[in-house]
Amino acid sequence: QVQLQESGPGLVKPSQTLSLTCIVSGGSISSGGYYWNWLRQPAGKGLELIGRIYTSGSFNYNPSYNPSLKSRVTISLDTSKNQFSLKVRSVTAADTAMYYCASSSALANWFDSWGQGTLVTVSS
Amino acid sequence: EIVMTQSPATLSVSPGERATLSCGASQRVSTNLAWYQQKPGQAPRVLIYGASARATGVPARFSGSGSGTEFTLTISSLQSEDFAVYYCQQYNEWPGTFGQGTKVEIK
Repeated sequence: QVQLQESGPGLVKPSQTLSLTCIVSGGSISSGGYYWNWLRQPAGKGLELIGRIYTSGSFNYNPSYNPSLKSRVTISLDTSKNQFSLKVRSVTAADTAMYYCASSSALANWFDSWGQGTLVTVSS
Repeated sequence: EIVMTQSPATLSVSPGERATLSCGASQRVSTNLAWYQQKPGQAPRVLIYGASARATGVPARFSGSGSGTEFTLTISSLQSEDFAVYYCQQYNEWPGTFGQGTKVEIK
């Protein structure tokens, strides 16, 4: 199993853009066969899938986004650094949450490896 | 979007007892259902996928069953390390959706 580690600012001002990166180790994101996902969890609440991205190594497929966030979210890959990223635009307090990156098999989208999570607070 | 509903919200169980957690889907999801365990301050950990297959390293006291819209996670004899929040997740349709969780607490 790969290891994943999120990084990024813990505090973002309202209306600004939240940017996070997930560094993958113990395997190549270009090897194919896995989706690279972002999820979030507000304090004391359940989990929400934000979106996912896939690369076969030779081709980066278009990301898939949760319709609830699609208009504000971008997920991208940097295969040279073996990492993928999340941007959420125009954030509000409702975007305050623990953000996780996770991997899932391209055959079945359950999440087999998770990062430890990073808390992002939206506040002025 | 498929809505997942878990019951009960909280389950109080004594160590060594059996715990049965339920998960219902608003639409049929076949056996495309996973269960996760989450302890305070930690990321979720997959226990069950395909409704009944145990993930690598998961003790045999955890078992999953069901198909279609009704699913069950059973912990046959609760150990101290099993007190946590459990989530079900369907991955039959995009986006995958989670239940609101069942907290298993010490009675």
